[in-house]
Amino acid sequence: EADIYQTPRYLVIGTGKKITLECSQTMGHDKMYWYQQDPGMELHLIHYSYGVNSTEKGDLSSESTVSRIRTEHFPLTLESARPSHTSQYLCASSELLGMQFFGPGTRLTVL
Amino acid sequence: AQSVAQPEDQVNVAEGNPLTVKCTYSVSGNPYLFWYVQYPNRGLQFLLKYITGDNLVKGSYGFEAEFNKSQTSFHLKKPSALVSDSALYFCAVSSASGGSYIPTFGRGTSLIVHP
Repeated sequence: EADIYQTPRYLVIGTGKKITLECSQTMGHDKMYWYQQDPGMELHLIHYSYGVNSTEKGDLSSESTVSRIRTEHFPLTLESARPSHTSQYLCASSELLGMQFFGPGTRLTVL
Repeated sequence: AQSVAQPEDQVNVAEGNPLTVKCTYSVSGNPYLFWYVQYPNRGLQFLLKYITGDNLVKGSYGFEAEFNKSQTSFHLKKPSALVSDSALYFCAVSSASGGSYIPTFGRGTSLIVHP
């Protein structure tokens, strides 16, 4: 079944820890995205990718990094988490004309 | 640069009444327009899109939207609101500008349907 997955759904960690948020899609989409969203608020694009070995920074400056080694996989890494990183992170993939499919999100809390 | 405006942070409507959630956009070239809905603690779900063709687009859950090129608007509508329609609604636009098709989202509108 075509879908987009994010793990973990919820994560509580201490300051200074390194974390990786996983995102995988089974639809064969070339484009993938990471958004940061505080609850009930607007979406902020932090990273996107046009395909394998392509990564771009989005509109919102972020201390995170991404990689795209395989079409279906687009992980996001925070080398040293801080309380200011507390937020919800949404992964999405899309067809050429921008219609996006979103994962369920990872709710990150940094203590 | 492309942009989207959702002028209302919140829309309140009684169950059974028609609802409208407003969206205007600015883009170079032809716009590709989308509406998404987000329920609490969930990702966004696609509702409908306008790429080309008929200005009135029908989507999921009885929603529809009308593309108005002269007013650069793409308002979301439903003839009869349900309490279960209460959620956060996002309008988005993308274009071929630079060949990117990277969508730009509005700030979102919270729809509250009262019983």
